[in-house]
Amino acid sequence: GAGVSQSPSNKVTEKGKDVELRCDPISGHTALYWYRQSLGQGLEFLIYFQGNSAPDKSGLPSDRFSAERTGGSVSTLTIQRTQQEDSAVYLCASSLATSGAPLDTQYFGPGTRLTVL
Amino acid sequence: AQKVTQAQTEISVVEKEDVTLDCVYETRDTTYYLFWYKQPPSGELVFLIRRNSFDEQNEISGRYSWNFQKSTSSFNFTITASQVVDSAVYFCALSPGEANSKLTFGKGITLSVRP
Repeated sequence: GAGVSQSPSNKVTEKGKDVELRCDPISGHTALYWYRQSLGQGLEFLIYFQGNSAPDKSGLPSDRFSAERTGGSVSTLTIQRTQQEDSAVYLCASSLATSGAPLDTQYFGPGTRLTVL
Repeated sequence: AQKVTQAQTEISVVEKEDVTLDCVYETRDTTYYLFWYKQPPSGELVFLIRRNSFDEQNEISGRYSWNFQKSTSSFNFTITASQVVDSAVYFCALSPGEANSKLTFGKGITLSVRP
């Protein structure tokens, strides 16, 4: 079946603008994760959705970052008033894991490369 | 807090050489999971292996092998008879053994295999 897909693949924006990044997880996967990969910080966890539970937002770097997951499937990561330090590759992953079940493996999408000018 | 250290940043080998990528982790959890991912130049993270903390058996998959040692908190990855297609960035990652399974990654090791 299809893997995790993300759009757009590349996004260039001006400082101060808002951006939305989209993630389509693997069909049937209940858990969805956002990570950020930047030169200085490596790969960092941002946010995690698991079924109908409240998301774990502990990795979001500021209140300019938010994410939602509609209908338990597609997720959108929104960055408001973008700054140059937000430039990075934003990676989405999904896994089959359900609450109380053994950990399952996260499969990653190709990422969205965000450049803030 | 969880931490993953990949002390090697860049490794360059000639094709057919064996190469070992080191990974050392820190965690207070008794149950946890360790992973290796490969990130080729195309950029997509490719899952290679998952190992739980109760399974210290080494694993071999073709030219790849993994050595998990809880006594030294290490989970090293060896590529035998390396090939140019093995050139990539390799990440070791750690996750707690619970429903919230966010990954903590090492900084990655850039492996270059020259023909």
